[in-house]
Amino acid sequence: SYDLTQPPSVSVSPGQTASITCSGDTLGNRYASWYQQKPGQSPVLVIYHDNKRPSGIPERFSGSKSGNTATLTISGTQAMDEAEYHCQAWDSSTAVFGGGTKVTVL
Amino acid sequence: QVQLQESGPGLVKPSETLSLTCAVSGYSISSGYYWGWIRQPPGKGLEWIASIYHSGNTHYNPSLKSRVTISMDTSRNQFSLRVSSVTAADTAVYFCARLPTGDYYFDSWGQGTLVTVSS
Repeated sequence: SYDLTQPPSVSVSPGQTASITCSGDTLGNRYASWYQQKPGQSPVLVIYHDNKRPSGIPERFSGSKSGNTATLTISGTQAMDEAEYHCQAWDSSTAVFGGGTKVTVL
Repeated sequence: QVQLQESGPGLVKPSETLSLTCAVSGYSISSGYYWGWIRQPPGKGLEWIASIYHSGNTHYNPSLKSRVTISMDTSRNQFSLRVSSVTAADTAVYFCARLPTGDYYFDSWGQGTLVTVSS
């Protein structure tokens, strides 16, 4: 089965930059998406097609990809950005999610 | 703006069948898009279960395919999920979501419903 690997946790100070990675075989040939999920809430799409931002998502959220690693970057991190972040891609008509990364704003 | 709302029993006994429905408002599901189910066990990550297109075309997670059925009722503008022979491992928050046709991300999600498998 296809796997996506994320770090379990990332810590960041307010106003600083948080980077969350997502690695998978041949991810370089697939689109990566990112979702933000706060406790008790449903996920919200923050990045699609590797680096596209849906309307309403703040500009401080950006996505990039290098080789088989996709990265979600939160610039000027705010307390409200504390959440779980999930990456997602498709493999043979199957959607696959990473294990999720807890971002803590200290 | 599309809205999705899950409904179904919050408690299911082991070996029985879990049945959930996702009611869609603000968009006719027969007009397009894929519609899917994703679940999240307590304290764990997201797991995609299945997706269905208005034509009836379906895709299933290979690890669940033998126990899962996704279906659509365009007259009621809703789609459904059935998971048979459930065990405690099927305890999770179940989300329904929308997937743009031919694309690779879920752009709208329901609020989720917790299903507990217990006797």
